[in-house]
Amino acid sequence: EAQVTQNPRYLITVTGKKLTVTCSQNMNHEYMSWYRQDPGLGLRQIYYSMNVEVTDKGDVPEGYKVSRKEKRNFPLILESPSPNQTSLYFCASSLVRSYEQYFGPGTRLTVT
Amino acid sequence: DAKTTQPNSMESNEEEPVHLPCNHSTISGTDYIHWYRQLPSQGPEYVIHGLTSNVNNRMASLAIAEDRKSSTLILHRATLRDAAVYYCILRDVAGGGNKLTFGTGTQLKVEL
Repeated sequence: EAQVTQNPRYLITVTGKKLTVTCSQNMNHEYMSWYRQDPGLGLRQIYYSMNVEVTDKGDVPEGYKVSRKEKRNFPLILESPSPNQTSLYFCASSLVRSYEQYFGPGTRLTVT
Repeated sequence: DAKTTQPNSMESNEEEPVHLPCNHSTISGTDYIHWYRQLPSQGPEYVIHGLTSNVNNRMASLAIAEDRKSSTLILHRATLRDAAVYYCILRDVAGGGNKLTFGTGTQLKVEL
């Protein structure tokens, strides 16, 4: 089944404790992206990657890092999480210039 | 990305047609009109897209005004499963950008 998977689905952590949210897709998509969703603000793009070893900032990249060492994986790294990074995070993938993007199920992160 | 305007919420009865409007008066000639929806506790999913002509697929129909300044997503027979937030998004696919700029969308409620 074609899908985007994210782990963990739920995470509660404390300020400053490094964490990684994994994202994996099995559709051989070049493009992958991370969004965060906050009430009243919709989904905002954090980082994106057009292919392996090619990443770039989205609209809200501060406090986040990403890497793209393999085509299927695009982990989101929070080196020192803060409470304002409490949010619902979505990973998405697609072929470059495709009309359809596929989203993962989401990761709900709470930073206390 | 050009801005879209949608009603905050709409209601429908099950098995009746639903017309979800979207205004995009500043649309450019190369902007495609995309619709995504987000079911409760899930990631967004692609519904349909179009450029100038009306489009149909298994999920919905997209009616595009002749001047392209507005469009309507049509669900022919709403079911309870169609209760979701529907997002109308403009994207310049030819420009090379895969980013989806989400607004706050329309919350569709479907009642028995």
